[in-house]
Amino acid sequence: DAMVIQNPRYQVTQFGKPVTLSCSQTLNHNVMYWYQQKSSQAPKLLFHYYDKDFNNEADTPDNFQSRRPNTSFCFLDIRSPGLGDAAMYLCATSRGGQYNEQFFGPGTRLTVL
Amino acid sequence: RKEVEQDPGPFNVPEGATVAFNCTYSNSASQSFFWYRQDCRKEPKLLMSVYSSGNEDGRFTAQLNRASQYISLLIRDSKLSDSATYLCVVGNENTGFQKLVFGTGTRLLVSP
Repeated sequence: DAMVIQNPRYQVTQFGKPVTLSCSQTLNHNVMYWYQQKSSQAPKLLFHYYDKDFNNEADTPDNFQSRRPNTSFCFLDIRSPGLGDAAMYLCATSRGGQYNEQFFGPGTRLTVL
Repeated sequence: RKEVEQDPGPFNVPEGATVAFNCTYSNSASQSFFWYRQDCRKEPKLLMSVYSSGNEDGRFTAQLNRASQYISLLIRDSKLSDSATYLCVVGNENTGFQKLVFGTGTRLLVSP
């Protein structure tokens, strides 16, 4: 049974056309994360929600936004995708606090034309 | 300097071989350590946590040396299915949650 679900699995958008990626979880975890992973690079944390509190990483571009309307769902909005934003976007969840395993979704692979 | 550094490989080994991966990290305040496995175009999956005392899970042994800020993973009796990228990951406490910092991964190819 899938615990962290991401839709769509593959997304193609045009340069500058806003796109939204979706993540949902059945684990009832407090914390939801969005990572960006470019080809042959490490996953890089963009931001996370601890319950309703949004925490942006200092080097995350303004072009990336997120929404968490409820515990189960979290969205990644890319306002004006550039060619450099083509990547795998990974959603993860965990219980709050330290030493809690993060569970990853299968990712959404974004292509920007 | 990257916070977590790994040899990208690839490591090409025959089935049955023993292979070791190493990783160094720069933040001496890091508190938790992991190896994740990532198959091609898939999400990372936790392979094992790493403790100072060393820990073993079947054919996999992980070791942490805090003084040298060094983490290792040993795979014995390699299987074809072990072919993947192995990500070294450190966890840093950050206001009530654990921020994971990933290395770029070491690619392992096991051949018949």
